[in-house]
Amino acid sequence: GNSVTQMEGPVTLSEEAFLTINCTYTATGYPSLFWYVQYPGEGLQLLLKATKADDKGSNKGFEATYRKETTSFHLEKGSVQVSDSAVYFCALRTGGSYIPTFGRGTSLIVHP
Amino acid sequence: DSGVTQTPKHLITATGQRVTLRCSPRSGDLSVYWYQQSLDQGLQFLIQYYNGEERAKGNILERFSAQQFPDLHSELNLSSLELGDSALYFCASSVDAGGSYEQYFGPGTRLTVT
Repeated sequence: GNSVTQMEGPVTLSEEAFLTINCTYTATGYPSLFWYVQYPGEGLQLLLKATKADDKGSNKGFEATYRKETTSFHLEKGSVQVSDSAVYFCALRTGGSYIPTFGRGTSLIVHP
Repeated sequence: DSGVTQTPKHLITATGQRVTLRCSPRSGDLSVYWYQQSLDQGLQFLIQYYNGEERAKGNILERFSAQQFPDLHSELNLSSLELGDSALYFCASSVDAGGSYEQYFGPGTRLTVT
């Protein structure tokens, strides 16, 4: 079956620090990969996606590269802001399965 | 704004009761997913409907049921409620065609069972 493993949180950083949140996956078939963000009190929002190997998804200064050889999709941002404090979910979906697979989420706390 | 609406925003009810949560997908999206989010279990996929038909089932209890109507809105029915059913319930919609599988989530319904 499919699975997504994310690094445990919380991740605590100072403003302007570099962010990496690790995500690795196992999948039967060729997945599309996603990062979603959930701000306090809100639903999840799509942050970025990649649909094939070596694709780089990017949005709002966040980036993630689809690495098929290491089955990874790590989220990075060069300089985090307090407003980036949220929970980040890595997810995948294969064409052969109707069921999306989410990681458990990683909480990010950014201090001024 | 994702374009997905959910009502009600909050619901407080007693054990043993039955509630209905409602979701309207983004315009043009045929697929609706329901999720339960709790602190200890994370985000749990419950069920998916596509154009009115059930397509996939996840960790949905027998006390829970859902349906998708011809206008594509969906309802999640929770019955014989228990304290452990207290959680956030999200619906999401997706095109689910042409390789486009990203989901758009509603703001959620917070259910409190007392």
